[in-house]
Amino acid sequence: GDSVTQMEGPVTLSEEAFLTINCTYTATGYPSLFWYVQYPGEGLQLLLKATKADDKGSNKGFEATYRKETTSFHLEKGSVQVSDSAVYFCALSDRAGGTSYGKLTFGQGTILTVHP
Amino acid sequence: GAVVSQHPSWVICKSGTSVKIECRSLDFQATTMFWYRQFPKQSLMLMATSNEGSKATYEQGVEKDKFLINHASLTLSTLTVTSAHPEDSSFYICSARVLAGGGDTQYFGPGTRLTVL
Repeated sequence: GDSVTQMEGPVTLSEEAFLTINCTYTATGYPSLFWYVQYPGEGLQLLLKATKADDKGSNKGFEATYRKETTSFHLEKGSVQVSDSAVYFCALSDRAGGTSYGKLTFGQGTILTVHP
Repeated sequence: GAVVSQHPSWVICKSGTSVKIECRSLDFQATTMFWYRQFPKQSLMLMATSNEGSKATYEQGVEKDKFLINHASLTLSTLTVTSAHPEDSSFYICSARVLAGGGDTQYFGPGTRLTVL
């Protein structure tokens, strides 16, 4: 079945440091890939997405590139802020044969803490 | 756009009572909504897929008679936790599915914190 593996956290960084959170996946068909962010006490917010190979999703200074050859979708940000402290989830939605099943498979989440 | 709301945001109830949680898509219609459960410091676990006008599809291991789902309109799905017990205490999150531009995206509600005493 489909699966998503994220680097284990927690990740602790100083403000303005470079961030990478690794995400790899296994899936049948042609999945769409997502990064969601969850701030303390809140639900998930879509951060960025990519729907096909070599697409780059970007938002709020974060970006991730859909790499089919390495089955990866690593999240990066050049300079993190304290306000970026949250839990980040990588996810995929598989669409085998062109049919969208819609179900999301989530990674285990990575806790990011940014210190001033 | 693509805002999803949940009500209530938190609820405390006594063991044995039933609790209804509403999930609404505010500015779009959603034929499909999903219900998730999240335990502290863990990932989301899909409980069921809610389709407007038809029965919900439950994931393996989820009791359909305990977690009743009704998707009565294109903007509203409800989850009722029947005869709640302390082990049902959790964070319940819904999402609404949007198909656009050849892509498939879920937008999430803010979640409902259920505490069963």
